[in-house]
Formats: sequence, C-alpha cells, structure tokens
Amino acid sequence: DAGITQSPRHKVTETGTPVTLRCHQTENHRYMYWYRQDPGHGLRLIHYSYGVKDTDKGEVSDGYSVSRSKTEDFLLTLESATSSQTSVYFCAIQASGDYGYTFGSGTRLTVV
Amino acid sequence: AQSVTQLDSQVPVFEEAPVELRCNYSSSVSVYLFWYVQYPNQGLQLLLKYLSGSTLVESINGFEAEFNKSQTSFHLRKPSVHISDTAEYFCAVGSQGAQKLVFGQGTRLTINP
Repeated sequence: DAGITQSPRHKVTETGTPVTLRCHQTENHRYMYWYRQDPGHGLRLIHYSYGVKDTDKGEVSDGYSVSRSKTEDFLLTLESATSSQTSVYFCAIQASGDYGYTFGSGTRLTVV
Repeated sequence: AQSVTQLDSQVPVFEEAPVELRCNYSSSVSVYLFWYVQYPNQGLQLLLKYLSGSTLVESINGFEAEFNKSQTSFHLRKPSVHISDTAEYFCAVGSQGAQKLVFGQGTRLTINP
C-alpha cells in the first residue's frame, strides 16, 4: 500500500555471480535511492537517481551498478557478488519538494 | 557537509519508564529533521519530522522530538514506553539544496518487562 516494492525479498547467491535487485514504485516520484544496512554501520547510500537515466554514486558504490530506464523501476546490480556484499538492501523513494523518504521492505541478500 | 550523530547505539529501559534517544546534527544551512523507526525484520517507517514552524513535533504513538537550533539537536522522547516500542530508531537530516538525507547510525531501543 506504500507504493514501493522490492524484489526478491530474500536471495542466496554464490560468490562471483551477478545479482540484480529490483525496486518498483507506483508513486511517480522523481528520486530513488539504494541503501545497504549492516550492523554498526547504519544505512549507507550505494547509488541514487534523480530521474530516468540520471543516476549518481553514493558513499559505497564500488562493486555496484544501477539503471533507471523507467520512472517506476530502479535496478541495483552486483556485478560479481562477494561475501562483503551480504547485507540487507533498502530502496527509498522521494517526491520532488518533499524531504522525507518512503522505504521498501528490504531485500536480504546472502553471498556464500 | 551534513552529518548526524546518534549518541547511543543501544538504550535498554524498563516498560513504562521514560526514554530519550539523542540525536545531534551538523549543517551550515537550514535543516529538516526526521526520526524513522525500524521494527524487527521490517523496513524503515517515518515516525515524525520537523520541516518548519513549531519546534516540538509529535507522533501518533506518543513520541515527541524538539528541534533545538542552538544545541543542534533533535532528541526523541517518550514519557512511558511499551514493549511494542522495541525497535531501532534512526535520526536523519536534510537541507535545502541537498535532496538526499543523511542518516545516523541508529539506536536500538530495548524494552524490558
């Protein structure tokens, strides 16, 4: 009902494989963000987007890429997964002129 | 550059006791301040926010926070906590001209019966 969904909710993958996480919104918000959450580190920004095909790097972008070909979808790709990328990943959306975020439910990714 | 410091990583309290979760920020411009709550195995939800106007803001479940510009703080308080308040709480700051929010490290609130 919040207008943002993440998929998958859980995933286990092997080291070295590519993985894509999807964030889908129905709110037509301009801004979208990918964060990772790890114990002791809080939320760390990976990448963000301020419109279709407009993306930029966050503080922990190494090993990750993103794409936004439509307003509603923001994809996060781990090009070659490593164990250090085991984490919970959250997507957030934000409307223009609004400073608050709406978060998705998260994707728990385990790299073995 | 903005930053947020949550001074306590964990706060244990007894049920029905008061609690304060501390948040300090640094910014050279006007700020917007937020508290988000994350219940176990869930995403983050907005608890309350300060954008302008009254410096005291309240949530629907009894929490309140006060924007103190001179102290650069936005502490979260509740006079009497319940078991259901067990969660992790994140303070965040935004500002005009900077669309992205900056988050604190989080404070884990544990309520003991």
